[in-house]
Amino acid sequence: DTEVTQTPKHLVMGMTNKKSLKCEQHMGHRAMYWYKQKAKKPPELMFVYSYEKLSINESVPSRFSPECPNSSLLNLHLHALQPEDSALYLCASSQDPGGDTQYFGPGTRLTVL
Amino acid sequence: DQQVKQNSPSLSVQEGRISILNCDYTNSMFDYFLWYKKYPAEGPTFLISISSIKDKNEDGRFTVFLNKSAKHLSLHIVPSQPGDSAVYFCAASSLTGFQKLVFGTGTRLLVSP
Repeated sequence: DTEVTQTPKHLVMGMTNKKSLKCEQHMGHRAMYWYKQKAKKPPELMFVYSYEKLSINESVPSRFSPECPNSSLLNLHLHALQPEDSALYLCASSQDPGGDTQYFGPGTRLTVL
Repeated sequence: DQQVKQNSPSLSVQEGRISILNCDYTNSMFDYFLWYKKYPAEGPTFLISISSIKDKNEDGRFTVFLNKSAKHLSLHIVPSQPGDSAVYFCAASSLTGFQKLVFGTGTRLLVSP
């Protein structure tokens, strides 16, 4: 089983809203990732969590705030986003924090009005 | 600096024929390579990987070839099927080093009946 689940599937929010994206995996993976993907572009890494600790932040604006409550869950808290933040947000996990195979969830399509 | 390049943005193939997707990389630290398939508005699906100690890996209709001296890898799909129509991303990482996958820009494959 290589399933990563993400909720919600679609999200529309205003620039003053606060919302959260959720990601879950039950494969015992020790690394989890957030990516952002714009149309016709490759996924762009945002954050990496290794053993529930933030290990990489790719200079992401503070209006994006990740959280890893436990080894199976990863959240991305959103606040005061801009319309240019509209994108597909992907969560992934891998067995090891090294450059191991990453398994992706289906994504959350975010639209910021 | 594009460390992983897919120079063909699109490829059209007839059903039953071979599809060959190419990928070049520049960073000699990369030692693990992956191919992902992506449908619109969905997360990437892992297809096949290869480590630098091998030059070929096969899984059903999918074969990946690695030429380390040329820093080049390719994905062969034989026989191609209409359901293979998607965007294919190659990705590279270092199993012993950084925790990132570096993605290519993608090749859109269209398999026509």
